[in-house]
Amino acid sequence: KAGVTQTPRYLIKTRGQQVTLSCSPISGHRSVSWYQQTPGQGLQFLFEYFSETQRNKGNFPGRFSGRQFSNSRSEMNVSTLELGDSALYLCASSREDRKGYTFGSGTRLTVV
Amino acid sequence: AQKITQTQPGMFVQEKEAVTLDCTYDTSDQSYGLFWYKQPSSGEMIFLIYQGSYDEQNATEGRYSLNFQKARKSANLVISASQLGDSAMYFCAMREASNTGNQFYFGTGTSLTVIP
Repeated sequence: KAGVTQTPRYLIKTRGQQVTLSCSPISGHRSVSWYQQTPGQGLQFLFEYFSETQRNKGNFPGRFSGRQFSNSRSEMNVSTLELGDSALYLCASSREDRKGYTFGSGTRLTVV
Repeated sequence: AQKITQTQPGMFVQEKEAVTLDCTYDTSDQSYGLFWYKQPSSGEMIFLIYQGSYDEQNATEGRYSLNFQKARKSANLVISASQLGDSAMYFCAMREASNTGNQFYFGTGTSLTVIP
């Protein structure tokens, strides 16, 4: 059974650019959530999607957005990149009971 | 106030011994979920164990068990018979249900080193 796939694994962008990250959940999982991990702030929740609907959003500016497609794949977009957006971005998918979340390997974004 | 508190930045344990990683949480919700994750140096997050707030028994998954003390709002992870491969960062997390959906909170993590 394939795990959660995140692409790309590494990304280098320039300040002011925008970026789109992709996450393919485990087959059958309809919930996808996104997280940002930095040395300074630790792990922080970005948002969660279920059946193409955003269920909730963490405390991040509007530059961070996402969406989920009918096949449960999800994308996260960050516009007008700032140096502080450099982080490991993790996505996770879960069963409907939400008793366990399987994470992808993450996308390491570096903003220069 | 911190939603999840892990007070042990680093822990050492002898191989084959048991170790307890502490986690306390803060919520006024009745329904919530508690999770433990392992993050090796490779960066992937590995789900270890889940405890629901209404679960009466402590969760167990193989060598992992969660010592859930609801009144004290603690959810400590116990790893029995430590192995060298257990060396990693361990994160305690909580899913809290709000009227607009779920919110997730993570602790700052505990770095566990297993000594041969």
